[in-house]
Amino acid sequence: SQQGEEDPQALSIQEGENATMNCSYKTSINNLQWYRQNSGRGLVHLILIRSNEREKHSGRLRVTLDTSKKSSSLLITASRAADTASYFCATDPLINTGGFKTIFGAGTRLFVKA
Amino acid sequence: EAGVVQSPRYKIIEKKQPVAFWCNPISGHNTLYWYRQNLGQGPELLIRYENEEAVDDSQLPKDRFSAERLKGVDSTLKIQPAELGDSAVYLCASSLDRYNEQFFGPGTRLTVL
Repeated sequence: SQQGEEDPQALSIQEGENATMNCSYKTSINNLQWYRQNSGRGLVHLILIRSNEREKHSGRLRVTLDTSKKSSSLLITASRAADTASYFCATDPLINTGGFKTIFGAGTRLFVKA
Repeated sequence: EAGVVQSPRYKIIEKKQPVAFWCNPISGHNTLYWYRQNLGQGPELLIRYENEEAVDDSQLPKDRFSAERLKGVDSTLKIQPAELGDSAVYLCASSLDRYNEQFFGPGTRLTVL
Protein backbone atom coordinates (compact mmCIF):
# COMPACT_ATOMS: atom_id res chain seq x y z
CA SER A 1 0.00 0.00 0.00
CA GLN A 2 1.19 3.48 -0.74
CA GLN A 3 2.28 5.66 2.14
CA GLY A 4 1.57 9.00 0.50
CA GLU A 5 -1.72 9.95 -1.07
CA GLU A 6 -2.07 13.15 -3.03
CA ASP A 7 -5.22 15.17 -3.24
CA PRO A 8 -6.71 16.15 -5.61
CA GLN A 9 -5.91 13.55 -8.25
CA ALA A 10 -6.25 16.21 -10.93
CA LEU A 11 -6.36 20.00 -10.91
CA SER A 12 -7.05 22.44 -13.73
CA ILE A 13 -6.45 26.16 -13.23
CA GLN A 14 -5.88 29.34 -15.21
CA GLU A 15 -2.43 30.80 -15.64
CA GLY A 16 -1.71 33.24 -12.81
CA GLU A 17 -3.80 31.40 -10.26
CA ASN A 18 -2.36 29.54 -7.30
CA ALA A 19 -2.36 25.75 -7.15
CA THR A 20 -2.48 23.79 -3.91
CA MET A 21 -1.83 20.07 -3.67
CA ASN A 22 -2.04 18.01 -0.53
CA CYS A 23 -0.35 14.84 0.61
CA SER A 24 -1.35 12.61 3.49
CA TYR A 25 0.67 9.76 4.92
CA LYS A 26 0.22 7.08 7.53
CA THR A 27 3.32 6.57 9.65
CA SER A 28 6.08 8.66 11.19
CA ILE A 29 8.59 9.92 8.69
CA ASN A 30 12.17 11.14 8.43
CA ASN A 31 11.35 13.59 5.69
CA LEU A 32 8.93 14.32 2.89
CA GLN A 33 9.83 15.32 -0.62
CA TRP A 34 7.92 16.80 -3.53
CA TYR A 35 8.75 15.96 -7.13
CA ARG A 36 7.51 17.13 -10.51
CA GLN A 37 7.26 14.94 -13.58
CA ASN A 38 6.55 16.28 -17.03
CA SER A 39 4.89 13.91 -19.44
CA GLY A 40 7.30 11.22 -20.57
CA ARG A 41 10.16 12.62 -18.52
CA GLY A 42 12.01 11.71 -15.35
CA LEU A 43 11.18 13.17 -11.95
CA VAL A 44 12.62 16.49 -10.86
CA HIS A 45 13.16 17.14 -7.17
CA LEU A 46 11.42 20.29 -5.91
CA ILE A 47 11.69 20.48 -2.13
CA LEU A 48 12.70 18.25 0.78
CA ILE A 49 11.22 19.08 4.17
CA ARG A 50 12.46 17.30 7.26
CA SER A 51 10.23 16.05 10.05
CA ASN A 52 11.36 18.85 12.39
CA GLU A 53 10.54 21.57 9.85
CA ARG A 54 7.13 23.13 9.33
CA GLU A 55 7.52 25.25 6.20
CA LYS A 56 9.96 25.72 3.34
CA HIS A 57 10.05 28.02 0.36
CA SER A 58 11.73 27.78 -3.01
CA GLY A 59 10.90 30.47 -5.54
CA ARG A 60 7.17 30.23 -6.26
CA LEU A 61 6.88 27.02 -4.24
CA ARG A 62 5.82 26.77 -0.61
CA VAL A 63 5.68 23.48 1.24
CA THR A 64 4.20 22.95 4.67
CA LEU A 65 4.40 19.89 6.88
CA ASP A 66 2.07 19.06 9.76
CA THR A 67 3.38 15.93 11.46
CA SER A 68 0.49 15.87 13.93
CA LYS A 69 -1.95 15.52 11.03
CA LYS A 70 0.48 13.52 8.92
CA SER A 71 -0.02 15.82 5.99
CA SER A 72 1.85 18.19 3.71
CA SER A 73 0.84 20.73 1.13
CA LEU A 74 2.54 22.15 -1.92
CA LEU A 75 1.53 25.63 -3.03
CA ILE A 76 2.54 26.96 -6.43
CA THR A 77 1.91 30.67 -6.67
CA ALA A 78 1.27 32.63 -9.89
CA SER A 79 1.14 29.44 -11.94
CA ARG A 80 2.43 29.27 -15.49
CA ALA A 81 1.58 26.98 -18.38
CA ALA A 82 5.03 25.42 -17.91
CA ASP A 83 3.95 24.22 -14.45
CA THR A 84 1.68 21.69 -16.16
CA ALA A 85 2.94 18.34 -14.88
CA SER A 86 2.31 15.59 -12.36
CA TYR A 87 3.37 16.32 -8.81
CA PHE A 88 4.30 13.56 -6.39
CA CYS A 89 4.99 13.51 -2.71
CA ALA A 90 7.43 10.94 -1.42
CA THR A 91 7.90 9.95 2.19
CA ASP A 92 10.67 8.16 4.04
CA PRO A 93 8.73 6.33 6.73
CA LEU A 94 10.38 5.02 9.85
CA ILE A 95 9.93 1.28 9.87
CA ASN A 96 10.47 -1.29 12.57
CA THR A 97 14.02 -2.13 11.62
CA GLY A 98 15.00 1.50 11.90
CA GLY A 99 15.51 1.76 8.19
CA PHE A 100 13.37 3.50 5.66
CA LYS A 101 11.89 2.99 2.24
CA THR A 102 10.92 5.89 0.03
CA ILE A 103 7.27 5.61 -0.92
CA PHE A 104 5.61 7.72 -3.59
CA GLY A 105 1.96 8.60 -3.88
CA ALA A 106 -0.01 8.33 -7.13
CA GLY A 107 0.42 12.03 -7.86
CA THR A 108 -1.65 15.10 -8.65
CA ARG A 109 -1.98 15.97 -12.30
CA LEU A 110 -1.89 19.76 -12.68
CA PHE A 111 -3.01 21.45 -15.87
CA VAL A 112 -2.43 25.18 -16.20
CA LYS A 113 -4.38 26.80 -18.98
CA ALA A 114 -2.78 29.73 -20.78
CA GLU B 1 27.60 18.37 -13.62
CA ALA B 2 26.18 15.33 -15.41
CA GLY B 3 22.95 13.95 -14.08
CA VAL B 4 21.93 10.33 -13.66
CA VAL B 5 22.43 8.48 -16.91
CA GLN B 6 20.33 5.52 -17.95
CA SER B 7 20.38 3.30 -20.98
CA PRO B 8 18.69 2.26 -23.07
CA ARG B 9 15.90 4.84 -23.15
CA TYR B 10 13.48 2.43 -24.80
CA LYS B 11 13.36 -1.34 -25.06
CA ILE B 12 10.85 -3.58 -26.75
CA ILE B 13 11.12 -7.32 -26.21
CA GLU B 14 8.98 -10.40 -26.44
CA LYS B 15 7.84 -12.15 -23.29
CA LYS B 16 10.22 -14.71 -21.83
CA GLN B 17 13.21 -12.79 -23.19
CA PRO B 18 15.84 -11.32 -20.86
CA VAL B 19 16.47 -7.58 -20.58
CA ALA B 20 18.96 -5.43 -18.72
CA PHE B 21 19.02 -1.77 -17.76
CA TRP B 22 22.08 0.25 -16.88
CA CYS B 23 22.45 3.25 -14.61
CA ASN B 24 25.34 5.61 -13.94
CA PRO B 25 24.63 7.74 -10.86
CA ILE B 26 25.86 11.22 -10.13
CA SER B 27 29.51 11.16 -9.11
CA GLY B 28 29.93 10.95 -5.36
CA HIS B 29 26.42 9.73 -4.66
CA ASN B 30 26.57 6.74 -2.35
CA THR B 31 22.90 5.78 -2.50
CA LEU B 32 21.34 4.38 -5.65
CA TYR B 33 17.69 3.45 -6.21
CA TRP B 34 15.80 1.48 -8.81
CA TYR B 35 12.09 2.23 -9.22
CA ARG B 36 9.36 0.93 -11.47
CA GLN B 37 6.63 3.30 -12.60
CA ASN B 38 3.44 2.09 -14.17
CA LEU B 39 1.30 4.41 -16.27
CA GLY B 40 -0.61 6.88 -14.13
CA GLN B 41 1.11 5.78 -10.93
CA GLY B 42 3.93 6.99 -8.77
CA PRO B 43 7.29 5.22 -8.76
CA GLU B 44 7.57 2.03 -6.72
CA LEU B 45 10.90 1.30 -5.07
CA LEU B 46 12.45 -1.98 -6.19
CA ILE B 47 15.84 -1.83 -4.53
CA ARG B 48 18.16 0.62 -2.80
CA TYR B 49 21.95 0.40 -2.63
CA GLU B 50 24.18 1.96 -0.03
CA ASN B 51 27.50 1.90 -1.87
CA GLU B 52 27.71 -1.67 -3.14
CA GLU B 53 25.41 -3.14 -0.52
CA ALA B 54 21.81 -3.89 -1.48
CA VAL B 55 19.35 -2.87 1.20
CA ASP B 56 15.61 -2.51 1.02
CA ASP B 57 14.88 -5.02 -1.77
CA SER B 58 11.59 -6.28 -0.39
CA GLN B 59 9.69 -5.13 -3.49
CA LEU B 60 12.07 -6.79 -5.94
CA PRO B 61 10.50 -9.94 -7.50
CA LYS B 62 13.54 -12.07 -6.84
CA ASP B 63 12.44 -15.00 -8.95
CA ARG B 64 13.00 -12.99 -12.13
CA PHE B 65 14.64 -9.71 -11.16
CA SER B 66 18.24 -9.23 -10.16
CA ALA B 67 20.41 -6.20 -9.60
CA GLU B 68 24.03 -5.43 -8.92
CA ARG B 69 26.16 -2.41 -8.20
CA LEU B 70 29.76 -3.30 -8.78
CA LYS B 71 32.35 -1.13 -7.06
CA GLY B 72 29.55 0.99 -5.66
CA VAL B 73 29.14 3.09 -8.80
CA ASP B 74 27.23 1.87 -11.86
CA SER B 75 24.32 -0.46 -11.48
CA THR B 76 22.42 -2.90 -13.65
CA LEU B 77 18.90 -4.23 -13.24
CA LYS B 78 18.00 -7.44 -15.04
CA ILE B 79 14.75 -9.24 -15.73
CA GLN B 80 14.84 -12.85 -16.84
CA PRO B 81 12.45 -13.93 -18.15
CA ALA B 82 10.31 -10.88 -18.82
CA GLU B 83 6.53 -11.08 -18.50
CA LEU B 84 3.81 -8.93 -20.03
CA GLY B 85 3.19 -7.27 -16.67
CA ASP B 86 6.75 -6.01 -16.53
CA SER B 87 5.97 -3.32 -19.09
CA ALA B 88 6.68 -0.05 -17.30
CA VAL B 89 9.23 2.73 -16.99
CA TYR B 90 12.26 1.74 -14.92
CA LEU B 91 13.80 4.71 -13.15
CA CYS B 92 17.18 4.99 -11.54
CA ALA B 93 17.92 7.65 -8.94
CA SER B 94 20.87 8.57 -6.77
CA SER B 95 21.47 10.69 -3.70
CA LEU B 96 24.42 11.72 -1.55
CA ASP B 97 23.04 9.53 1.19
CA ARG B 98 19.71 8.18 2.37
CA TYR B 99 18.80 11.46 4.05
CA ASN B 100 19.01 13.74 1.04
CA GLU B 101 17.04 14.43 -2.10
CA GLN B 102 17.08 11.95 -4.93
CA PHE B 103 18.05 12.84 -8.48
CA PHE B 104 16.34 10.80 -11.16
CA GLY B 105 17.48 9.63 -14.54
CA PRO B 106 15.20 9.83 -17.61
CA GLY B 107 14.15 6.20 -17.23
CA THR B 108 13.95 3.20 -19.54
CA ARG B 109 10.55 2.52 -21.05
CA LEU B 110 10.14 -1.24 -21.34
CA THR B 111 7.47 -2.79 -23.52
CA VAL B 112 6.98 -6.55 -23.31
CA LEU B 113 4.99 -8.03 -26.19
